[in-house]
Amino acid sequence: GENVEQHPSTLSVQEGDSAVIKCTYSDSASNYFPWYKQELGKRPQLIIDIRSNVGEKKDQRIAVTLNKTAKHFSLHITETQPEDSAVYFCAASTHFGKGTHLIIQP
Amino acid sequence: GAVVSQHPSWVICKSGTSVKIECRSLDFQATTMFWYRQFPKQSLMLMATSNEGSKATYEQGVEKDKFLINHASLTLSTLTVTSAHPEDSSFYICSAGPRGAREKLFFGSGTQLSVL
Repeated sequence: GENVEQHPSTLSVQEGDSAVIKCTYSDSASNYFPWYKQELGKRPQLIIDIRSNVGEKKDQRIAVTLNKTAKHFSLHITETQPEDSAVYFCAASTHFGKGTHLIIQP
Repeated sequence: GAVVSQHPSWVICKSGTSVKIECRSLDFQATTMFWYRQFPKQSLMLMATSNEGSKATYEQGVEKDKFLINHASLTLSTLTVTSAHPEDSSFYICSAGPRGAREKLFFGSGTQLSVL
């Protein structure tokens, strides 16, 4: 089955700096890669997604890149703000990575 | 976006009893729904894929007789934790989307199960 690895498990950045979270997947047949943000005690919310026929997608301060050959994809958040603090999960379709706790230091 | 409703949001039960959790898609039809389990400060672990009108597909290591899934209509899937034990205590959350696993999924609000 699909195996998704996510790094780092914790990421602390200064407000205004950029944050990068990386994931790899194992099943070359996977073709949909969403990213979710989960705040404490709440349900995961989709923040951006990318399909395998696209290499990069951007939505304001958030961007995702996909290297299908290497089977890895990354989330980039620029100009980080305190409200970006949360746990972020990557997924290959319905299989989730272990999550990254992003801490924005004021 | 689409809405997925999950009930109850929390339940406390005695060991040995069964608990049913409902997941409803409110404004779209879902031929598949997904059930996850999440322990504190950990990731969402896919337990099973619920298929409307047919048997659920369970992930490796998940006991199908322990976690009964029924998807009797295009808007409702239920997860029943049978003969619950303290180790079953967890946060259970469902998700669904208008196009299944191939596109955007929406999550229910989750159910916190505590087995005494």
